[in-house]
Amino acid sequence: GAGVSQSPRYKVAKRGQDVALRCDPISGHVSLFWYQQALGQGPEFLTYFQNEAQLDKSGLPSDRFFAERPEGSVSTLKIQRTQQEDSAVYLCASSGQGTSPGYTFGSGTRLTVV
Amino acid sequence: AQSVTQPDIHITVSEGASLELRCNYSYGATPYLFWYVQSPGQGLQLLLKYFSGDTLVQGIKGFEAEFKRSQSSFNLRKPSVHWSDAAEYFCAVGAPWQGGKLIFGQGTELSVKP
Repeated sequence: GAGVSQSPRYKVAKRGQDVALRCDPISGHVSLFWYQQALGQGPEFLTYFQNEAQLDKSGLPSDRFFAERPEGSVSTLKIQRTQQEDSAVYLCASSGQGTSPGYTFGSGTRLTVV
Repeated sequence: AQSVTQPDIHITVSEGASLELRCNYSYGATPYLFWYVQSPGQGLQLLLKYFSGDTLVQGIKGFEAEFKRSQSSFNLRKPSVHWSDAAEYFCAVGAPWQGGKLIFGQGTELSVKP
């Protein structure tokens, strides 16, 4: 596609509910990143894929967070048993030059846990 | 520890006035440097980036930034601000040996007075 597409744009979840956030990167981009942006803060790194391999998941805040990219294209970020502190905008980005930084971001998914 | 500091949380300038947004970083080596802009409800758009070479880099929308190694700074400038420049601006650092992961500053919100 022309850009990085994320869905849904907005998600309201009740505390304890599981959610799945989708990222559709630019076609052919091998690198895919997830970031979490809390209100009034800069984005913080969550995890990184090169093709289907998850090379870095050091930023995932707890074992309730799980990401996958099974075919090296679309990625899903799953959050189990959501908590209020999970409320944030989740940004996906992709890059077509291996690990070269400076990539294209999607518009994000705003998650609100009530 | 690796970090990015944007000392100004909020800046207001008059339309047509010049702008400088400050960014300082702490990193083990000279990283790649970036400025992104984020409009409300939108993802991050890359304004410019510095990898190596000429320390004055030109970006989109009339922005430029200067890398000063001695000061560990990468300040963003624009000679004449337009009302449409009102947005949140983020400085970020990264390196390919870090897998493309970016570290962002907290952001500077720019307001433009008519």
